[in-house]
Amino acid sequence: RKEVEQDPGPFNVPEGATVAFNCTYSNSASQSFFWYRQDCRKEPKLLMSVYSSGNEDGRFTAQLNRASQYISLLIRDSKLSDSATYLCVVNRGGTYKYIFGTGTRLKVLA
Amino acid sequence: DAGVIQSPRHEVTEMGQEVTLRCKPISGHNSLFWYRQTMMRGLELLIYFNNNVPIDDSGMPEDRFSAKMPNASFSTLKIQPSEPRDSAVYFCASSLASIGGNQPQHFGDGTRLSIL
Repeated sequence: RKEVEQDPGPFNVPEGATVAFNCTYSNSASQSFFWYRQDCRKEPKLLMSVYSSGNEDGRFTAQLNRASQYISLLIRDSKLSDSATYLCVVNRGGTYKYIFGTGTRLKVLA
Repeated sequence: DAGVIQSPRHEVTEMGQEVTLRCKPISGHNSLFWYRQTMMRGLELLIYFNNNVPIDDSGMPEDRFSAKMPNASFSTLKIQPSEPRDSAVYFCASSLASIGGNQPQHFGDGTRLSIL
């Protein structure tokens, strides 16, 4: 079992739709959580950190569920420009290492 | 503010040649990471440094790969001799990390490496 798992998708959604991705992690000692966005042939870019109480940034909402060991990303009012791969990243407690999921592909359709 | 700077952006070379990739982390960051990304294998962590010291090189595929960080503002990843299967995008990332690890990584633009 991978330490961080994501549904690879693709998720094809119409413009304006709401879409949610989940990411599960296996190491209960994980302490820090992030969502990154990666466009084709580009570097991963930080989308948002995920805080214990949940956090929102515009159309994007991130949640952490420590009991079930997953994080989620909700995108409201999807735009064509949201089309990308979304990577879940977990930092192992007690190390400097970041574990990346394989990513979830999102395609927003006109 | 300057981000992570990698060079070269693209490298095309023949099998057997030595390849050196370079990275300048964000000033003040104390951790540096080298990743490789391919369609088949996704994003793989090769090695990471903390305070210029290699902490975990278990992801380095074989002895042909080596990495150094002589100071806080510079790191190299070397492949010698290179092989076609080394073709990939190589990313460098840096962060201000602690054992609690709550700071995100920031990536450079990557080096697209093609070995013919």
